[in-house]
Formats: sequence, structure tokens, C-alpha cells
Amino acid sequence: QKEVEQNSGPLSVPEGAIASLNCTYSDRGSQSFFWYRQYSGKSPELIMSIYSNGDKEDGRFTAQLNKASQYVSLLIRDSQPSDSATYLCAVIVSGGSYIPTFGRGTSLIVHP
Amino acid sequence: GAGVSQSPSNKVTEKGKDVELRCDPISGHTALYWYRQSLGQGLEFLIYFQGNSAPDKSGLPSDRFSAERTGGSVSTLTIQRTQQEDSAVYLCASNLRFVETQYFGPGTRLLVL
Repeated sequence: QKEVEQNSGPLSVPEGAIASLNCTYSDRGSQSFFWYRQYSGKSPELIMSIYSNGDKEDGRFTAQLNKASQYVSLLIRDSQPSDSATYLCAVIVSGGSYIPTFGRGTSLIVHP
Repeated sequence: GAGVSQSPSNKVTEKGKDVELRCDPISGHTALYWYRQSLGQGLEFLIYFQGNSAPDKSGLPSDRFSAERTGGSVSTLTIQRTQQEDSAVYLCASNLRFVETQYFGPGTRLLVL
């Protein structure tokens, strides 16, 4: 059974700090990893995708992937109150049917 | 063109009634997914369409749920004999084949009384 685990939070950080969100997955055949942001009452939107071990940076966001340890993380630098949302981790297994497995999400609160 | 659209945005129904939810994917997207999200929960996969291939129905929770996709575009999710536990937000997403980034619609909020 494919499982994707996230701490539900809430994770509370002050404005300007680094927010660190973590996700672990159970299937070693996982090949594609995604972070979606979901504001309350809205639908998810893609923040980052990562496919290879290491770091991938996009503006204030950095995704980190470690396949040996089976975790993927999302760092948000200079956190802003507008970053307050639920962050969903999603994983797709190689050789599968492109159906992602989503974690339950981590709620992030950035307070001024 | 525009993003993924879904209708209705909200639906209130009585237990035992049938409901139909519609999804119009981004033009040209061959893959279409239906998910369910209950309050405070993650996304629960329901069904996946890819082009003209047979859909992957492995996530449908019961035989009361069905979905079809006509002409490789618009999809309809039907829930028969609705139950109160069917109350949730039903999200549709689409993407290009072999490009895995999903684009979500705004969802349909279903409330079964």
C-alpha cells in the first residue's frame, strides 16, 4: 500500500522565518514528487515538482528530495502571512498509471 | 484556454437522491482525475481517465459512484442514492499525457442532508 505521511500541524512560524515542511513516503518505486498549496476553501495549486535527489529552488521555495531516506521536504524562505495555507505532498510511483497519492497536508500559519 | 471548470459549485441534496457533477478539463488535456476531499482530510482518489483507455476506477468507494467521459473531454461523476457520508468537496483535475503536473478545478461542494 502506497502511503504518504505528513505532520498535520499546524506549523506556526513568524513572518520572515524559514518554514520547513516534511513528507515521507513508503513506496521505493516512487519517481515524481509534488508540493501543492491549498488555501482554505480553494483547490490545490502546484508549488513545486522534483524528480531527482537534491535541491530544487524556485524563488522563495526549495524542494529537497532524498530517495534513500524516502523523504521530500519544502522550505519556504522569508515566510509571509500570504503563505498561510495547507501544503499537500503528492507522490507518483514509476511504472504506474500516473495516479498520485496525496498526503493529508500540513497546515502552515505565518504570523506577523 | 481557461482552466478546469466544474459545475455546480455547490449542491445540496436529500439523502437517497442522485446527483451529477460535471467537469470540463483544460482543452487538449487527455488525462482527467476525480478526487474527493472531506473536511480536514487529504485528497481521496476516485477515478482516472486517460485518452481512450479504459478508466481506472480503483478509487470508487462503492457501486453508487460512477463516472463517464464523453468525447475525451467533459466528464460527469454520478452518485446514486446519496448518503450523508458522501458530503465532501469533489475535485476534478486534468493534465497532459505523460506530463504529471495536475491542474485542479474549483470543486463542487456537496452537502447531503
